Amino acid sequence: AQKITQTQPGMFVQEKEAVTLDCTYDTSDPSYGLFWYKQPSSGEMIFLIYQGSYDQQNATEGRYSLNFQKARKSANLVISASQLGDSAMYFCAMRGAGSYQLTFGKGTKLSVIP
Amino acid sequence: NAGVTQTPKFQVLKTGQSMTLQCAQDMNHNSMYWYRQDPGMGLRLIYYSASEGTTDKGEVPNGYNVSRLNKREFSLRLESAAPSQTSVYFCASTFDGKPVGYGYTFGSGTRLTVV
Repeated sequence: AQKITQTQPGMFVQEKEAVTLDCTYDTSDPSYGLFWYKQPSSGEMIFLIYQGSYDQQNATEGRYSLNFQKARKSANLVISASQLGDSAMYFCAMRGAGSYQLTFGKGTKLSVIP
Repeated sequence: NAGVTQTPKFQVLKTGQSMTLQCAQDMNHNSMYWYRQDPGMGLRLIYYSASEGTTDKGEVPNGYNVSRLNKREFSLRLESAAPSQTSVYFCASTFDGKPVGYGYTFGSGTRLTVV
């Protein structure tokens, strides 16, 4: 079974500051992928970043980076230089190589303060 | 534009009514999924179809049926709607057989209210 835990229901960050959104996971699959999605108030699901369990380096995509600590089973999302447009719900998700299912956490609502 | 198209975008049903949510993708993906999103619960898998002609239950299948009509289309049916089925429904697709990091593409969602 796969499980994703996001312990921060809501967070605030000052514009231009960096913020870390926490995600821990559990799986028995030795090969798996970790994803972060952004859901703005308009409702669509926007893919942000992906990390494979065997990737040697942490993933980065522009202002997004994933702090992957395999031994701790954590995959935290770091957003640098926050912008007002970053205000949204953020979901961590995972999928094991042996599973068809993309499992989501409950999400973190990020609010960026001017 | 290529992607996943869901219809309708909004729907209000009375308890006991039935309806079908439609989903179509034009990316030649083989796997398709239906999720529901409730406040504080994240997205939970209702049903999925790994390939044309196959469907399987996800985490919360009760009260729903699905049909994989062809490779492009995957519909979700509520036979007798209940207020507990008030939710936002997302369809998604992906290309299984690719590495696990191959992305899922989501539709824009259907906001369903059952009164």
